[in-house]
Amino acid sequence: RKEVEQDPGPFNVPEGATVAFNCTYSNSASQSFFWYRQDCRKEPKLLMSVYSSGNEDGRFTAQLNRASQYISLLIRDSKLSDSATYLCVVIPPGGYNKLIFGAGTRLAVHP
Amino acid sequence: DAGVIQSPRHEVTEMGQEVTLRCKPISGHDYLFWYRQTMMRGLELLIYFNNNVPIDDSGMPEDRFSAKMPNASFSTLKIQPSEPRDSAVYFCASSLRGNRQGRTEAFFGQGTRLTVV
Repeated sequence: RKEVEQDPGPFNVPEGATVAFNCTYSNSASQSFFWYRQDCRKEPKLLMSVYSSGNEDGRFTAQLNRASQYISLLIRDSKLSDSATYLCVVIPPGGYNKLIFGAGTRLAVHP
Repeated sequence: DAGVIQSPRHEVTEMGQEVTLRCKPISGHDYLFWYRQTMMRGLELLIYFNNNVPIDDSGMPEDRFSAKMPNASFSTLKIQPSEPRDSAVYFCASSLRGNRQGRTEAFFGQGTRLTVV
């Protein structure tokens, strides 16, 4: 089983839609979680950290469910500029900054 | 700061040749990572360093791959001999040590697109 698993998509949604991505992780003792964004042929960049109580950054909401070992990302009011691949990232226990990436979920927002 | 700098941006080489990828991390960052990205396998962590010391190289696929970090501002990833299946985008990233919860941000270079023919 992979350490971090994501639905590869693609998710094709119209502008203004709400879309949610899920990600599961295998090591229940993992402590730190993130969402990164990668535009086509570019490097990944941090979108947001994921906190235990859930957190929001504008149109983006991240949730953590430790019991089920999954992380979610909700994007409200999708924009064309949200089109990208969203990467779920986990630091395993004792990982000391060791970022393990999921394969990514591709989002395409159309007019 | 210019961010993480990788060179070359593109490399095309023949099977069997030696390939050296270079990385300059962000000044002051004490962690450096090498990742490989392909369509089939996504982003794979190959090796990472802390204060120039390799911490975990379990992701290095074979003995053909080697990485060094002779000082805080420079790292290399070498493939010798190269094979067509090594074709991928290789990313270098750097970060500061995380807080107690391990929270840290990794900053990536623009990557080296390697094609082995």
